[in-house]
Amino acid sequence: AQKITQTQPGMFVQEKEAVTLDCTYDTSDQSYGLFWYKQPSSGEMIFLIYQGSYDEQNATEGRYSLNFQKARKSANLVISASQLGDSAMYFCAMRAYSSNTGKLIFGQGTTLQVKP
Amino acid sequence: NAGVTQTPKFQVLKTGQSMTLQCAQDMNHEYMSWYRQDPGMGLRLIHYSVGAGITDQGEVPNGYNVSRSTTEDFPLRLLSAAPSQTSVYFCASARPGDEQYFGPGTRLTVT
Repeated sequence: AQKITQTQPGMFVQEKEAVTLDCTYDTSDQSYGLFWYKQPSSGEMIFLIYQGSYDEQNATEGRYSLNFQKARKSANLVISASQLGDSAMYFCAMRAYSSNTGKLIFGQGTTLQVKP
Repeated sequence: NAGVTQTPKFQVLKTGQSMTLQCAQDMNHEYMSWYRQDPGMGLRLIHYSVGAGITDQGEVPNGYNVSRSTTEDFPLRLLSAAPSQTSVYFCASARPGDEQYFGPGTRLTVT
């Protein structure tokens, strides 16, 4: 069975500082992808960053980077230079490619609040 | 491109009523999925489809039906609404290997 665990229900960070949102996963598949989505208070789901299980380099997208530690089965999201607009719910998700279905398994989410 | 569209945005049903949540995408994506989001539980997969004519159950399929007669459309039917189905429903689509694109969501309340 596949599972995503996000252990931080809520986080605070000071504006302009960096913050790490934790994500651990469990899967028996060798080929999988890890995703992070942002959900602001308006409710839409916004794709942030992707890491494939065979990617050797950690993924980066602007101020977002993914700290991928395969042996520890963790895929933490790092947001650098936090901005007020980063206040939102963040979800970690995983897709196993062996099933070839496109299904995503989500964690419970972490609410991030950026303080001015 | 409109992306993934969902209608309605809001809906209130009485227990026992049926209704269909509409989802359409104009990106020619093979994969489409329905999720529900409840407080503290993240998103859970209801049903999914890997192409026209092919559907399968996700994690929480009971009380819902789907069909995929075209690549573009993937409606979700509530057969007999129950208060436990009060939730926010998201439709998503994707190409194989790509990230999922989500619709804006439908907020459903069952009284």
